[in-house]
Amino acid sequence: GNSVTQMEGPVTLSEEAFLTINCTYTATGYPSLFWYVQYPGEGLQLLLKATKADDKGSNKGFEATYRKETTSFHLEKGSVQVSDSAVYFCALSEQGNEKLTFGTGTRLTIIP
Amino acid sequence: GAVVSQHPSWVICKSGTSVKIECRSLDFQATTMFWYRQFPKQSLMLMATSNEGSKATYEQGVEKDKFLINHASLTLSTLTVTSAHPEDSSFYICSALKSGGAYNEQFFGPGTRLTVL
Repeated sequence: GNSVTQMEGPVTLSEEAFLTINCTYTATGYPSLFWYVQYPGEGLQLLLKATKADDKGSNKGFEATYRKETTSFHLEKGSVQVSDSAVYFCALSEQGNEKLTFGTGTRLTIIP
Repeated sequence: GAVVSQHPSWVICKSGTSVKIECRSLDFQATTMFWYRQFPKQSLMLMATSNEGSKATYEQGVEKDKFLINHASLTLSTLTVTSAHPEDSSFYICSALKSGGAYNEQFFGPGTRLTVL
């Protein structure tokens, strides 16, 4: 079956540091890949997505590239802010299927 | 954007009682909604797909008689945990699928914390 493995947290960084949260997946076919973010007290929000190999999703300074050869979709940001503190979930869905398979989530804390 | 609410945000109940959780799409209609369960430090696990006007589709291992799902309108799905036991204590999250536009997208509610004593 499908699975998503992401970097365990928690991750604590200083403001303006470079961020990488690793995510690898196992799936049949060509899944779509997602990063969701959950701010305290709120529901999950879609941060970015990519639907095919070599696609790069980007939003709010975050980027992730769909790497089929390494089955990865690592999340990066060049300079994090305190407001980026949240829990980040990597997820996938099979082609033609809306069901999502999630990773365990990574809690990120940015300190001033 | 699109907003999904859940009610209640938390509930404590006695073992053997039933608890109903509501999931509403506030500013769009959703033919399809999803119910997830999240254990501490674990990922969201899909429990079932809720389809308006028809029976829900449950994932393998989820007891349909224990977790009753009703999707009676295009903006409301309910999850009823029947005869709750302490092992049912968890964080329950719903999402609503917004269709149209370039692609479909799931919008998530803030979750409901259920504690069964």
